[in-house]
Amino acid sequence: DADVTQTPRNRITKTGKRIMLECSQTKGHDRMYWYRQDPGLGLQLIYYSFDVKDINKGEISDGYSVSRQAQAKFSLSLESAIPNQTALYFCATSDSMNTGELFFGEGSRLTVL
Amino acid sequence: GQSLEQPSEVTAVEGAIVQINCTYQTSGFYGLSWYQQHDGGAPTFLSYNGLDGLEETGRFSSFLSRSDSYGYLLLQELQMKDSASYFCAVRVLYNQGGKLIFGQGTELSVKP
Repeated sequence: DADVTQTPRNRITKTGKRIMLECSQTKGHDRMYWYRQDPGLGLQLIYYSFDVKDINKGEISDGYSVSRQAQAKFSLSLESAIPNQTALYFCATSDSMNTGELFFGEGSRLTVL
Repeated sequence: GQSLEQPSEVTAVEGAIVQINCTYQTSGFYGLSWYQQHDGGAPTFLSYNGLDGLEETGRFSSFLSRSDSYGYLLLQELQMKDSASYFCAVRVLYNQGGKLIFGQGTELSVKP
């Protein structure tokens, strides 16, 4: 089983719908992140959390919200999806940033029609 | 704010050496990481430079110069499987967020 699991892997939805992407990890890491990737572009940080009671906005948090339900779970929500939120979403974890290493999930491909 | 620049595309032949450069402008710089991504799959960590100088890991090496706000990834003995996108990423100081900011990526094509 993967250390960082994202569900769903693929989702097609309509404009205005609420969508939740879930991430769970078995690595025991405190830090979790949500990134968005558009075709041919880099990874943009949406939200990140350094522990259960810590939530921080990233570069592009507008239109998104998150919930850190437990050390192992970090969910990303789109309250009212719009077409320009169509993208590949990655969850990642790290134990600390001393090595600059993130462990990524396989990604959730979201299409908003 | 933070910004990173790297070339969008690089092409090289199998067996050759290629260097992918990354320049950055950021407040609270702490270190520079490199990641590899194949065809929209999960990015995987390659290396990290917290100090100036060269870090070597097998065929891959990474270099950092803090004074020049510059780093590079060096890939030696290129193989076809090295065709992928490569991202540099800046780690920011914890008291300024502690986050990891990615560049736009360099698509490397390795030709026979």
